[in-house]
Amino acid sequence: QKEVEQNSGPLSVPEGAIASLNCTYSDRGSQSFFWYRQYSGKSPELIMFIYSNGDKEDGRFTAQLNKASQYVSLLIRDSQPSDSATYLCAAVLNTGTASKLTFGTGTRLQVTL
Amino acid sequence: DGGITQSPKYLFRKEGQNVTLSCEQNLNHDAMYWYRQDPGQGLRLIYYSQIVNDFQKGDIAEGYSVSREKKESFPLTVTSAQKNPTAFYLCASSIVGQSSSYNSPLHFGNGTRLTVT
Repeated sequence: QKEVEQNSGPLSVPEGAIASLNCTYSDRGSQSFFWYRQYSGKSPELIMFIYSNGDKEDGRFTAQLNKASQYVSLLIRDSQPSDSATYLCAAVLNTGTASKLTFGTGTRLQVTL
Repeated sequence: DGGITQSPKYLFRKEGQNVTLSCEQNLNHDAMYWYRQDPGQGLRLIYYSQIVNDFQKGDIAEGYSVSREKKESFPLTVTSAQKNPTAFYLCASSIVGQSSSYNSPLHFGNGTRLTVT
């Protein structure tokens, strides 16, 4: 099992719809989770971070964390073509001797007109 | 404006040559990181540093070296020992390092695309 797992996609949603991106992680003790957006050929940029169970909203973005089920998701409401990008999930995993920020391979989102 | 500056944006080298990638930040962040990204793969940690004059190997440190003589600067040298150096290299920084229970988010530079032929 990968430490941080995402469906590679592409996930295709029509403009104006809700895009739901999911991520699972292997370490039940993880406490810090991040979503980054990466446009093709560019560097990742931080979208959201979440530390507590439940929902965290920021504009059109909502991060959801369920520690019992070990998944974190990102919802994008009113999806726009400019949201088309790869979304990277990252979690701080405990390796025994140290904690380590680990990235998933990303989900490619396509917002269609 | 505060940020992370990586240079150059594109770099071309012949096989067998060492090359150094620059990373400078003016965010006053303590921790700095180097990641490598290959097509279709996630980010893989090469080296990280939580304080000046100290750094630790990441998951794929072989063939790379770093220094952290100043808080603002964390250059990465890709040596001739790195077998597949062609990749997109990303430098990042954060307020606190990975030893903290709750990690502060990483802020990334614009990246350097290295091509070795």
